[in-house]
Amino acid sequence: DAGVIQSPRHEVTEMGQEVTLRCKPISGHNSLFWYRQTMMRGLELLIYFNNNVPIDDSGMPEDRFSAKMPNASFSTLKIQPSEPRDSAVYFCASSLEGYSNQPQHFGDGTRLSIL
Amino acid sequence: AQKVTQAQTEISVVEKEDVTLDCVYETRDTTYYLFWYKQPPSGELVFLIRRNSFDEQNEISGRYSWNFQKSTSSFNFTITASQVVDSAVYFCVITGGGNKLTFGTGTQLKVEL
Repeated sequence: DAGVIQSPRHEVTEMGQEVTLRCKPISGHNSLFWYRQTMMRGLELLIYFNNNVPIDDSGMPEDRFSAKMPNASFSTLKIQPSEPRDSAVYFCASSLEGYSNQPQHFGDGTRLSIL
Repeated sequence: AQKVTQAQTEISVVEKEDVTLDCVYETRDTTYYLFWYKQPPSGELVFLIRRNSFDEQNEISGRYSWNFQKSTSSFNFTITASQVVDSAVYFCVITGGGNKLTFGTGTQLKVEL
């Protein structure tokens, strides 16, 4: 079975550029989550969607970050303009809708470096 | 608010030793779920186990076992006869209402030959 698929795996770009991270959740999963992992702050939830609708975006750092989920099988996280402090590993995860007892299944992550 | 404390930042053991990773949690929810995730050096996050707050039975899966004790708000993870492939960061996680996960800071386990 296909797991959560993220692309790209690695991204290196210069400060000020727009960055778009992509995620395809597990088929049948209705909840999708974006996380950021850094050494300093650990794993942080940025935003999560239920049935393609953003439910909680309180973790989104600032207006430079935006996330969309146009359909059940695709989501994007965009940073514009990017800054060096955005360098981190970004994970996408999915789970069955509305059941907090269901585990979240994570993608392999996108390692983002902003120069 | 929920909180997970993994007091052990890093543990080093020699292969075949048993090792226990500690996890203490705080929550006001009466119904909650606990998880352990593994993050190997390759970076992905792998789900290991889920426990709900009403089920205090210990669980064993191969060399892995989990001890859930509500009285002490702990959910400890033991690896028996550790192997080099067990080297990873292990996260203890809690969730209550909704889908938000609260992660501990992780324990880095290093298993050496």
